[in-house]
Amino acid sequence: EMQLVESGGGLLQPGGSLRLSCVASGFTFNVYAMSWVRQAPGKGLEWVSGIGGSGGDTYYADSVKGRFTISRDNAKNTVYLQMNSLRAEDTAVYYCAKMSGSAWKNIFNYWGQGTLVTVSS
Amino acid sequence: DIQMTQSPSSLSASIGDRVTITCQASQGIGKYLNWYQQKPGKAPKLLIYDASNLQTGVPSRFSGSGSGTDFTVTITSLQPEDIATYYCQQYNNLPFTFGPGTKVHIK
Repeated sequence: EMQLVESGGGLLQPGGSLRLSCVASGFTFNVYAMSWVRQAPGKGLEWVSGIGGSGGDTYYADSVKGRFTISRDNAKNTVYLQMNSLRAEDTAVYYCAKMSGSAWKNIFNYWGQGTLVTVSS
Repeated sequence: DIQMTQSPSSLSASIGDRVTITCQASQGIGKYLNWYQQKPGKAPKLLIYDASNLQTGVPSRFSGSGSGTDFTVTITSLQPEDIATYYCQQYNNLPFTFGPGTKVHIK
């Protein structure tokens, strides 16, 4: 059975850093691109970042470019999101999503349950 | 960026009603359009991909259509378990963008 388990969320002050992890199981991890999608409290969905199956290609929303870094360790079936210079507007549930292929132009066909990041002083 | 709009933003319908939600893209996206269902407190779930393809396991009362800039998702007979927010999403261009969502209530 396919599973994505996010961790690493928490409460921190503006300007702080946090690393989210998403451990995958139930599928051949290195074949598929992965993404992070976030949802601010009571709001809609916003794509944050994506990474190709091999890890060589990475993509970012303008709102996080230069502050967030996506990476993956295919030996550990894990994708990461390193978040620096956090702002109050980064407060959201962060979902890890499996894509339907190895490249960026694919569908979010499976989602984890999310991890909450709260940025507040 | 491609802007996605949805209408209505919310709707109330009775069990058994036919429900239609529309989604419009700010520029042509071919059929690179997906629909997701999100129930309260849960992660989104893929419902329909490439505008009209039903994801495995999704009930056949759901259907999608459209291409270019205008898309719809239809529930032919609304069921209690369909109470959720529905989002469209384009993947023709980066950044991927979602519509603002349509919240479906039971009347």
